[in-house]
Amino acid sequence: AQSVAQPEDQVNVAEGNPLTVKCTYSVSGNPYLFWYVQYPNRGLQFLLKYITGDNLVKGSYGFEAEFNKSQTSFHLKKPSALVSDSALYFCAFWKAGTALIFGKGTTLSVSS
Amino acid sequence: GAVVSQHPSRVICKSGTSVKIECRSLDFQATTMFWYRQFPKKSLMLMATSNEGSKATYEQGVEKDKFLINHASLTLSTLTVTSAHPEDSSFYICSARELARSSYEQYFGPGTRLTVT
Repeated sequence: AQSVAQPEDQVNVAEGNPLTVKCTYSVSGNPYLFWYVQYPNRGLQFLLKYITGDNLVKGSYGFEAEFNKSQTSFHLKKPSALVSDSALYFCAFWKAGTALIFGKGTTLSVSS
Repeated sequence: GAVVSQHPSRVICKSGTSVKIECRSLDFQATTMFWYRQFPKKSLMLMATSNEGSKATYEQGVEKDKFLINHASLTLSTLTVTSAHPEDSSFYICSARELARSSYEQYFGPGTRLTVT
């Protein structure tokens, strides 16, 4: 079955340090991949997507992600973390003909 | 643009009663709407897909008689949780696909917190 996997339940990083939230995919054909963020008791906010083109995708709030076909990964990155980046992050793929399917989520905690 | 609203934002109901959650696309026409369920600190599980004027398509394991979905217009879909029980307590999020945009573009509502006592 097609899926995305987020191997880490939680990522802890100090403010100002670079952060990485990992995502690997198992999707047939050309994958359409997404990152979303969710703050407590809030809906989802779109960060970025990879459809085609450059493997490095830049998104909102200074986040970026790199599509790596050989490693089937789409890790989310930010050069310098902020305390306000603390939230729940979801990787997702578009299941053709249906809907976005989400990974289990990774809680990012940025300490000051 | 592409705003999706949900009403109510939170609801508490007694076990055995039914509750309706509305999902509206405010500034676009939504041919397709999706309903997701999120358990605490867990992922979003796709429950069903509804197309305007058609019966909803439910994901495996989702009880269609418990979670009634209606998509009567291009801007409104409703999810009714029938005979709710405490295990139905969850965060329900709807999403909409705009008629004129790519199939993979989905816009999410702010969610509805359902608590069944």
